[in-house]
Amino acid sequence: NAGVMQNPRHLVRRRGQEARLRCSPMKGHSHVYWYRQLPEEGLKFMVYLQKENIIDESGMPKERFSAEFPKEGPSILRIQQVVRGDSAAYFCGTGANTGELFFGEGSRLTVL
Amino acid sequence: DAKTTQPPSMDCAEGRAANLPCNHSTISGNEYVYWYRQIHSQGPQYIIHGLKNNETNEMASLIITEDRKSSTLILPHATLRDTAVYYCIVRVAQDSSYKLIFGSGTRLLVRP
Repeated sequence: NAGVMQNPRHLVRRRGQEARLRCSPMKGHSHVYWYRQLPEEGLKFMVYLQKENIIDESGMPKERFSAEFPKEGPSILRIQQVVRGDSAAYFCGTGANTGELFFGEGSRLTVL
Repeated sequence: DAKTTQPPSMDCAEGRAANLPCNHSTISGNEYVYWYRQIHSQGPQYIIHGLKNNETNEMASLIITEDRKSSTLILPHATLRDTAVYYCIVRVAQDSSYKLIFGSGTRLLVRP
């Protein structure tokens, strides 16, 4: 997992607030995948981005969730008006064109 | 939905080989088999991947049957630190997206 940086590692928000999770890919990686893991469950695909483009957002909830991967800077997963059900671990995986993904240590969101 | 089937749990003795099976009977000709593991609540860790031929690296070996309908991940000398959930994944290639769909995995317990 070395090289993929996610922050914050832990985030606490009250219902209705916004959460922003950041992912800095490994050097040379231009593909970013976001996954969500609810407690005691598996990882669920959310969105796949390349620089400045959303390639596949089939796993993203239709409302309140958005993601971006700008030309400069980290990829950001944004959750507006958080609810308790958004409490989960959010993992970012990055890759090049070789196929394998390398994941960060995750951001754990707790909604009070 | 995941295209793989794995036993929910297995155990093996420390120092012995751990053989984790995976069925992927609907795999397509150009789809790769990937193995990841997740130790406790850490980020998923890439182990190995393959298409047709058997593969080996410093972590494990991957044996793929000739018809590609199943595979086995082999940890040659399991240690206590190999206790984790192991995910067998068929990488879905759809349009420009190469997302990994995680299933429930196999929870491997390495006994002292």
